[in-house]
Amino acid sequence: AQTVTQSQPEMSVQEAETVTLSCTYDTSESNYYLFWYKQPPSRQMILVIRQEAYKQQNATENRFSVNFQKAAKSFSLKISDSQLGDTAMYFCAFTFYNQGGKLIFGQGTELSVKP
Amino acid sequence: GAGVSQSPRYKVAKRGQDVALRCDPISGHVSLFWYQQALGQGPEFLTYFQNEAQLDKSGLPSDRFFAERPEGSVSTLKIQRTQQEDSAVYLCASQRGGNTEAFFGQGTRLTVV
Repeated sequence: AQTVTQSQPEMSVQEAETVTLSCTYDTSESNYYLFWYKQPPSRQMILVIRQEAYKQQNATENRFSVNFQKAAKSFSLKISDSQLGDTAMYFCAFTFYNQGGKLIFGQGTELSVKP
Repeated sequence: GAGVSQSPRYKVAKRGQDVALRCDPISGHVSLFWYQQALGQGPEFLTYFQNEAQLDKSGLPSDRFFAERPEGSVSTLKIQRTQQEDSAVYLCASQRGGNTEAFFGQGTRLTVV
């Protein structure tokens, strides 16, 4: 079965500090994409960062970066210089190359950034 | 349009009622997905269209759920004889195609009373 596990239901961080959200996944496939999505109270999912499984280099997008460990099936998100606007639910997800984009999501981590 | 639009944003239905949820994807986007998100959970896949063709409906939880996209643009998710366990947020996403970025709507929160 293809699953995504986010073991931290809730996390909090002080403004301007760094926080890391954990994600592990299980699949027997070798070709896939991994994502982190942010869902604020407005409910609209927003793509934060994307990683292609065949790339060894970790993706970076401004203050957001990932630590992708393919052998361990681990895909953590690091948020640097946390801002109040980063407060949201964060979902880890993946999709296979040949499934047209169907996403499999984890349970989410609720992140609170405190002033 | 500028983004994926879903309507209504909120829907309250009495148990046993039929409901129809609409998704208007970004113009030109070939792929369209429906997801169900229960309270406090991650979204779960329901169904996928490529243009007007429904290529995957493996996530639809029962035969009370039906989705269509007759002209390859707007899609409707219909739930017949709603049950309390159908209460959730229903999210729609569209993609230009293939493994490009998925853009999500703000969802419809369905409450069955």
